[in-house]
Amino acid sequence: GENVEQHPSTLSVQEGDSAVIKCTYSDSASNYFPWYKQELGKRPQLIIDIRSNVGEKKDQRIAVTLNKTAKHFSLHITETQPEDSAVYFCAARSNDYKLSFGAGTTVTVRA
Amino acid sequence: NAGVTQTPKFQVLKTGQSMTLQCAQDMNHNSMYWYRQDPGMGLRLIYYSASEGTTDKGEVPNGYNVSRLNKREFSLRLESAAPSQTSVYFCASSAQGGKLDYGYTFGSGTRLTVV
Repeated sequence: GENVEQHPSTLSVQEGDSAVIKCTYSDSASNYFPWYKQELGKRPQLIIDIRSNVGEKKDQRIAVTLNKTAKHFSLHITETQPEDSAVYFCAARSNDYKLSFGAGTTVTVRA
Repeated sequence: NAGVTQTPKFQVLKTGQSMTLQCAQDMNHNSMYWYRQDPGMGLRLIYYSASEGTTDKGEVPNGYNVSRLNKREFSLRLESAAPSQTSVYFCASSAQGGKLDYGYTFGSGTRLTVV
């Protein structure tokens, strides 16, 4: 099955700085890569996703890049704000429609 | 439009007791999933149902059973609870195929403690 590794496990940034989270996947057949944000005590919520036919996607302050050759993808958050503090999960989906998740990155934005 | 509804939100069980976690979605999604979330381990798939009438094991199915009652409902049963099953459980659903969005919609979770 698919194996997704996520780094770093924790990330502390100064408000206004950028945050980058990186993930690698094992199954070259994977074709869909979503990112979820989970605030304390809440459910994971989809914040951005990318499909395998696209190399980069942006939505305001967040962007995701995908390198299919190297089998890695990254989440970039620019101009971080206190409300960006949360746990972020990457995931990858291969042909069986199941998502495999990374272990998560706890992001803390310092005021 | 409620999305994915899970019940109960909290539960405390004694070792050996049984219980069923309920999940229902109103988005006409084909696929439904049960995950457990433990600190530092992300979300691990317990069971899933790709479509009504089918269920399959995920990566951590031992100690659990599921029922896809109809297209809307997917329940998770613990027959004899163990302390190792203390976790937060999330149900999710997704559309699949064609140009449909493949993202999951999660329920609000069930925090289960087995003592």
